[in-house]
Amino acid sequence: GAGVSQTPSNKVTEKGKYVELRCDPISGHTALYWYRQSLGQGPEFLIYFQGTGAADDSGLPNDRFFAVRPEGSVSTLKIQRTERGDSAVYLCASSRDGGLVANEQFFGPGTRLTVL
Amino acid sequence: AQSVTQLGSHVSVSEGALVLLRCNYSSSVPPYLFWYVQYPNQGLQLLLKYTSAATLVKGINGFEAEFKKSETSFHLTKPSAHMSDAAEYFCAVSLNTGNQFYFGTGTSLTVIP
Repeated sequence: GAGVSQTPSNKVTEKGKYVELRCDPISGHTALYWYRQSLGQGPEFLIYFQGTGAADDSGLPNDRFFAVRPEGSVSTLKIQRTERGDSAVYLCASSRDGGLVANEQFFGPGTRLTVL
Repeated sequence: AQSVTQLGSHVSVSEGALVLLRCNYSSSVPPYLFWYVQYPNQGLQLLLKYTSAATLVKGINGFEAEFKKSETSFHLTKPSAHMSDAAEYFCAVSLNTGNQFYFGTGTSLTVIP
């Protein structure tokens, strides 16, 4: 079946602009995660959804970052007033049920965001 | 706080040689541990995971890892490297009370023909 998909694959924007990154999880997966991977680093947790609600948003760096998952499937990560430091690869992952311990997370290919 | 340390950001081995990628964790509770591989322009793919059932875990593509509580380690090994193993490898830890993964900084594996 289809894996996790993310669009766009690349996004170039100017400092101060608003961007939206989309994640389409594996069908039937109730848990969805956003991570950010900076150059030379491992993925860093941003936010986790169980269904439509954000179960843990402790990784969002500041209030410029926001994510939604209105119907419990597709999720959008929104970044306002982008800064050059926001440049990174944004990864999305999904799993069958976030409530299951050590449940495997399936990752998408990521969106590479470049802020000029 | 939980953290994962991967010693060696770059590892080179000859084709057919032993692969050893190191991972140490710090956790206040027994963790669940994972190894993921990332091929160029692809998403992270699970190699194997430790969930307290057995300390020696076998994964895909001939990889295995051993959980050593006394050493707080979960090193990844493969007896004989193939050219196709060249990739970035990430160790990650998850707790039984949470769902986020904490990742190490990754180890880039180069296989020399």
